[in-house]
Amino acid sequence: AQSVTQPDIHITVSEGASLELRCNYSYGATPYLFWYVQSPGQGLQLLLKYFSGDTLVQGIKGFEAEFKRSQSSFNLRKPSVHWSDAAEYFCAVEMFSGGYNKLIFGAGTRLAVHP
Amino acid sequence: NAGVMQNPRHLVRRRGQEARLRCSPMKGHSHVYWYRQLPEEGLKFMVYLQKENIIDESGMPKERFSAEFPKEGPSILRIQQVVRGDSAAYFCASSPDGQNYGYTFGSGTRLTVV
Repeated sequence: AQSVTQPDIHITVSEGASLELRCNYSYGATPYLFWYVQSPGQGLQLLLKYFSGDTLVQGIKGFEAEFKRSQSSFNLRKPSVHWSDAAEYFCAVEMFSGGYNKLIFGAGTRLAVHP
Repeated sequence: NAGVMQNPRHLVRRRGQEARLRCSPMKGHSHVYWYRQLPEEGLKFMVYLQKENIIDESGMPKERFSAEFPKEGPSILRIQQVVRGDSAAYFCASSPDGQNYGYTFGSGTRLTVV
């Protein structure tokens, strides 16, 4: 069955430190992968997406993610975290079935940033 | 160009009442998806609709929940006889053709059942 795993429920980093949020997926075909961010009480904002081509994708707010097919991973990174990055981050895979698509989300990683 | 509009933003219902959540997709989008986010959990797919058709309702609870997307007007997620366990954030997303990769999400409706 298709699934998305985010192993880290909570992560705390210091402002200015680097960040890596892990995401592993299980999907039989070539995946379309996404990272979304959700600030408290808000909706979801798309950070970046991978469809094909270059396995390192750049997103908004200085985020990037690397698709590694051999590891079934799509980890999100940022070289220097800002306090405003504190939020919840969701990895998602778009699965195709029956001629249409739908997003399957991971459980999320809540990021706290220390000053 | 308004995004996906959901209303109300917050909804409080007593146990046993009905909850109606509305979602107006982006202009030109005819595909709507509903997701539910329980406290401290990720988003779970509920239902996928096109205009006047339910395409996939595999994530909908079998009882008390229904969804529609009429030819005119917003998509409605209806929860009858709400219970405390229905308290959650309900998000709607839309896409123009169901094959667009990545959706546009609304800000959600936060339902609290008291």
